Amino acid sequence: DAGVTQSPTHLIKTRGQHVTLRCSPISGHKSVSWYQQVLGQGPQFIFQYYEKEERGRGNFPDRFSARQFPNYSSELNVNALLLGDSALYLCASSLARGANYGYTFGSGTRLTVV
Amino acid sequence: SQKIEQNSEALNIQEGKTATLTCNYTNYSPAYLQWYRQDPGRGPVFLLLIRENEKEKRKERLKVTFDTTLKQSLFHITASQPADSATYLCALYQAGTALIFGKGTTLSVSS
Repeated sequence: DAGVTQSPTHLIKTRGQHVTLRCSPISGHKSVSWYQQVLGQGPQFIFQYYEKEERGRGNFPDRFSARQFPNYSSELNVNALLLGDSALYLCASSLARGANYGYTFGSGTRLTVV
Repeated sequence: SQKIEQNSEALNIQEGKTATLTCNYTNYSPAYLQWYRQDPGRGPVFLLLIRENEKEKRKERLKVTFDTTLKQSLFHITASQPADSATYLCALYQAGTALIFGKGTTLSVSS
């Protein structure tokens, strides 16, 4: 069974640009959560989607948006990139909404904004 | 305000000793608490989950305790090995919210 797949693994963008990050959860997992992790910090919650609906949103500006598709894969979009958006973006999948079986994380997308 | 604090950013111990990591929280009522391991440049890996009505959980050389009165979880690695060197994250889940992570403690085990 494939784990959580994220693409791309790395990318470099210029301030003001837009970026789309993609995530494929483990087969059978219906919940996808997105986290931002800056160097030296723990992952910060951005969004959770369960059964294609947004179930939670962290303290991030409206420049951040996401969606979940019928096959449970997900996209995270960030508009008008700022230097401070440079981070490792992590996708986590779980069977249910409540994470009571633990989350399975992908290896992340390393975004650098210059 | 709500906080999750892991007591130290770095912990250095010798091989064979027991490593003890602490996670304290404020203004949360978690249904359960989880511990993850993260290696540099990789996503966190789930290790253990302990529920609010459980005092202790064990898995091989790992042990987690959960004290809802003290609002604290302790994570122990017995007979530590250099391969245990990594960052360990605690995370808590409260109904109606997401899984919220602490900053992590970086453990270094020297041989």
